[in-house]
Amino acid sequence: DAGVIQSPRHEVTEMGQEVTLRCKPISGHDYLFWYRQTMMRGLELLIYFNNNVPIDDSGMPEDRFSAKMPNASFSTLKIQPSEPRDSAVYFCASSTNRVGETQYFGPGTRLLVL
Amino acid sequence: KQEVTQIPAALSVPEGENLVLNCSFTDSAIYNLQWFRQDPGKGLTSLLLIQSSQREQTSGRLNASLDKSSGRSTLYIAASQPGDSATYLCAVRPDNAGNMLTFGGGTRLMVKP
Repeated sequence: DAGVIQSPRHEVTEMGQEVTLRCKPISGHDYLFWYRQTMMRGLELLIYFNNNVPIDDSGMPEDRFSAKMPNASFSTLKIQPSEPRDSAVYFCASSTNRVGETQYFGPGTRLLVL
Repeated sequence: KQEVTQIPAALSVPEGENLVLNCSFTDSAIYNLQWFRQDPGKGLTSLLLIQSSQREQTSGRLNASLDKSSGRSTLYIAASQPGDSATYLCAVRPDNAGNMLTFGGGTRLMVKP
């Protein structure tokens, strides 16, 4: 398996623009997670899905952020409108529901909002 | 709310030294604890996972211990090498939080040749 795939790897955009980040989890994994990493706040969980259903979105910072998982092999995280404080590295991770299973992380999308 | 703290935030050691990274968590009701490694510009890779009923896990030169009642874990790296240079993150999975992880801020390790 190719692991968790994220695209784009880098995104530079201007304030106010819509940003869409994409994730393909490892095939057969039931859980998908979106994280944000910044120097100030470290790694924060934004939202996670189980079997394509959002389970906990309490980490989503505000209504400008939305996430979808239309099928088991694809998820998006959208920011509209984007702001400079959204600049961060966004990670997607996936896992199975087996006891003791770890989460497998993608390489991340580095977002810069000017 | 679970809080995870890692000390020190950064560490620089000469090659060959044995070293210990520390992780503490405020709520002892955890399901498991994991140590991850993150290389610059990359995602996280799981190193060791300790279930709440276990005391330690070992993989090669790495040994992780867990003292659940005191809310502490340590990652021991034996005979450090320059290739061990990375950021090490500790994460806990609470008992009642599905499959969520709460991460510490990480320890940035540099091993000098």
